[in-house]
Amino acid sequence: EDKVVQSPLSLVVHEGDTVTLNCSYEVTNFRSLLWYKQEKKAPTFLFMLTSSGIEKKSGRLSSILDKKELSSILNITATQTGDSAIYLCAATGAAGNKLTFGGGTRVLVKP
Amino acid sequence: DAGITQSPRHKVTETGTPVTLRCHQTENHRYMYWYRQDPGHGLRLIHYSYGVKDTDKGEVSDGYSVSRSKTEDFLLTLESATSSQTSVYFCAISSGPEFFGPGTRLTVL
Repeated sequence: EDKVVQSPLSLVVHEGDTVTLNCSYEVTNFRSLLWYKQEKKAPTFLFMLTSSGIEKKSGRLSSILDKKELSSILNITATQTGDSAIYLCAATGAAGNKLTFGGGTRVLVKP
Repeated sequence: DAGITQSPRHKVTETGTPVTLRCHQTENHRYMYWYRQDPGHGLRLIHYSYGVKDTDKGEVSDGYSVSRSKTEDFLLTLESATSSQTSVYFCAISSGPEFFGPGTRLTVL
């Protein structure tokens, strides 16, 4: 059975701090790893990673995939209160483009 | 966002009644998905579709059925709702990454 695990479960930081979120996966015929941000509504897409070692960046957010370690990290630098959200990691494997989600990491950024 | 709508957005119903949730897309995507999201469980796949009349089960399909008679519509039916099906339901379409609809909050009393 495919599995995705995220850590930590939650964290609290202050504005300006850097946070690193972890995601590990066990997925048959792994194809890609995705990160989403979820505030009080639907998850919104952040990154899709398919190649190991290539960093994807968008503003203060960046992510990298390590296929050897079956893991990915999401970094947020110079955090702002608007970064407070649940960050979800998901992986696709064999058939159907199906996503298996981790349980999420809840990030709270205090002013 | 991404041309996906869900209806209704909120629903309260009673145990034992049938419920149908609708997902509509304007993007002509082949793949569509239904997830439920519950505290402590994250997002779990209920059913998905890879084309008109082509559907398959996800990890939590018991008590749910789906139909896709047109590319743009994917229906999720709870034949006889139970309190354990109280949840937030998200529809998604796939164009590489998956994009999610706004969600339906369903309460079964």
